[in-house]
Amino acid sequence: QPVLTQSSSASASLGSSVKLTCTLSSGHRSYIIAWHQQQPGKAPRYLMKLESSGNYNKGSGVPDRFSGFSSGADRYLTISNLQFEDEGAYYCETWDRNTEVFGGGTKLTVL
Amino acid sequence: EVQVVESGGGLVQPGGSLRLSCAASGFTFSSYWMSWVRQAPGKGLEWVANINQDGSEKNYVDSVKGRFTISRDNAKNSLYLQMNSLRAEDTAVYYCARATYSSGPHPDCWGQGTLVTVSS
Repeated sequence: QPVLTQSSSASASLGSSVKLTCTLSSGHRSYIIAWHQQQPGKAPRYLMKLESSGNYNKGSGVPDRFSGFSSGADRYLTISNLQFEDEGAYYCETWDRNTEVFGGGTKLTVL
Repeated sequence: EVQVVESGGGLVQPGGSLRLSCAASGFTFSSYWMSWVRQAPGKGLEWVANINQDGSEKNYVDSVKGRFTISRDNAKNSLYLQMNSLRAEDTAVYYCARATYSSGPHPDCWGQGTLVTVSS
């Protein structure tokens, strides 16, 4: 079963860019992941699916400021021109034999 | 508009049972996998279970196997989670999610959640 590792917190200034990392466990570096955003007090929202090649497909209505890329076992979510509304938790997720697993999440603070 | 709406949460005593429902609209329900994901207070997301389009495949996280049952009624565009032998550690907001399939299912549309509290 794959394990996803995320930093517990991150911070960046309004208008700047931030890169969040999700690392796949050994033996699972080719896996596709998904990124989900959860604003404080709200339900999660699907952001994108991200392949090992770096190709990504965003969900409906996700702003262009959100992008993804991959390097080895690492999957990245980049948010440019940070807005206060981007504050919240970001979770990566993957799946294996139709069972799903989430990373622990990164709490993003916009300064 | 694609939408899933959960219901059925509430307060239940340890050892009790509860049935969650999820009503889907705005998409062809019978064409999608569906998932349940939960979030304990102050914690992260935890996948609970999923089910394929015709209900022939069901998968569960180990901690709920034998206690929870996922099911669906495609004629009613509805997803269910029957929860038995509930424990305090099952206390969480339970989210229903439509799951798209790309080498495996993953949520692409989430509901607002329903709170389940297991306490005496």
